[in-house]
Amino acid sequence: AQSVSQHNHHVILSEAASLELGCNYSYGGTVNLFWYVQYPGQHLQLLLKYFSGDPLVKGIKGFEAEFIKSKFSFNLRKPSVQWSDTAEYFCAVNAPFVNSGYSTLTFGKGTMLLVSP
Amino acid sequence: DGGITQSPKYLFRKEGQNVTLSCEQNLNHDAMYWYRQDPGQGLRLIYYSQIVNDFQKGDIAEGYSVSREKKESFPLTVTSAQKNPTAFYLCASSRVDSYEQYFGPGTRLTVT
Repeated sequence: AQSVSQHNHHVILSEAASLELGCNYSYGGTVNLFWYVQYPGQHLQLLLKYFSGDPLVKGIKGFEAEFIKSKFSFNLRKPSVQWSDTAEYFCAVNAPFVNSGYSTLTFGKGTMLLVSP
Repeated sequence: DGGITQSPKYLFRKEGQNVTLSCEQNLNHDAMYWYRQDPGQGLRLIYYSQIVNDFQKGDIAEGYSVSREKKESFPLTVTSAQKNPTAFYLCASSRVDSYEQYFGPGTRLTVT
């Protein structure tokens, strides 16, 4: 079965610090990769996605992620975090179901980021 | 505004009772999904549906049931057979040809 690992469950940073959240997946085939964010009291929303092409993808609010196929990784980065980035971040990968032909997302367990002002 | 609505936001039930969580979308998406979110566990797929009158079990379907009688609606029933029903439940939808899912605001279910 496919799985997604997020390296850190909790990260605490000061404003203006750089951020990198790790994400590794276990699937050898073609993948689509996502980072979702859940701000306190808000809907889960898409931060960025990778389907194909340039492995460095840019998302909303200054976030970016790099797909490194050889490392099965899709780490999320931001050069300078703000207090408003406090949220829970989820990495997800599409997981093709061979038997049914359907394709669903498998999520990591999430990383809670707390940015102190 | 297009989007996904889930009601109610908070739901309280006594142990042994079945409870149905509502999910409606007006995005004209064919696919709909139910997830359960527990602290430190991420999102785990309960059921999903690609078309009306068809649905598939996800990773943790035991103790849950769904129906998909209309494209816009995908209600989830948490039955008394679900051993740990207290959780945050998220509904999502997507186009069939896209892996990008759009999420509702969630329903927090507490069973005592």
